[in-house]
Amino acid sequence: DTGVSQDPRHKITKRGQNVTFRCDPISEHNRLYWYRQTLGQGPEFLTYFQNEAQLEKSRLLSDRFSAERPKGSFSTLEIQRTEQGDSAMYLCASSEDGPGTVDEQFFGPGTRLTVL
Amino acid sequence: EDKVVQSPLSLVVHEGDTVTLNCSYEVTNFRSLLWYKQEKKAPTFLFMLTSSGIEKKSGRLSSILDKKELFSILNITATQTGDSAVYLCAVEAGSGGSNYKLTFGKGTLLTVNP
Repeated sequence: DTGVSQDPRHKITKRGQNVTFRCDPISEHNRLYWYRQTLGQGPEFLTYFQNEAQLEKSRLLSDRFSAERPKGSFSTLEIQRTEQGDSAMYLCASSEDGPGTVDEQFFGPGTRLTVL
Repeated sequence: EDKVVQSPLSLVVHEGDTVTLNCSYEVTNFRSLLWYKQEKKAPTFLFMLTSSGIEKKSGRLSSILDKKELFSILNITATQTGDSAVYLCAVEAGSGGSNYKLTFGKGTLLTVNP
């Protein structure tokens, strides 16, 4: 399978616990994005990497959230001291940076987080 | 702040009907508009539109962009039950260089009844 993969697919945790999600983008894609989607809403942008550099973070990304892409390949998103409002689907997407091109983002299956 | 508005928010039709989904946007430094289909999983890519007036077509689906009036439509002809999904419109905008995020609308929930 050469698509975007995410792990785990589902995570249930208790309020106050830390959680970490992983995203493996399509191998030749150098851009990687994290989005959050709640019921009845479209995905909301969280953060974006070009290779290993984190180039933009949304104001939705509070100081409890941190994302890394240490070698420019896979990325992790960590949420510390989870709150019930963090319950959502966390989507990862990747795209290719081509010269003079605008490339579509391909989404992974998402990680559904439930905070009890 | 970039804004994308989709209408209607939900739509129920019978198999064989034709539907038109709407997407309007207000963004700074527009780059492209994308349509995605989302069933009970991640969004799957349908179309990317960058130029006004050029229709993109894939089977029974087609889409067109109007950059002057800042909207796009997605048409589905001869609908089938398998078309039932949420259709998401997203706009890629930014100042170039580093900003490539997508701003999504809330989606249109399409239900096609047999």
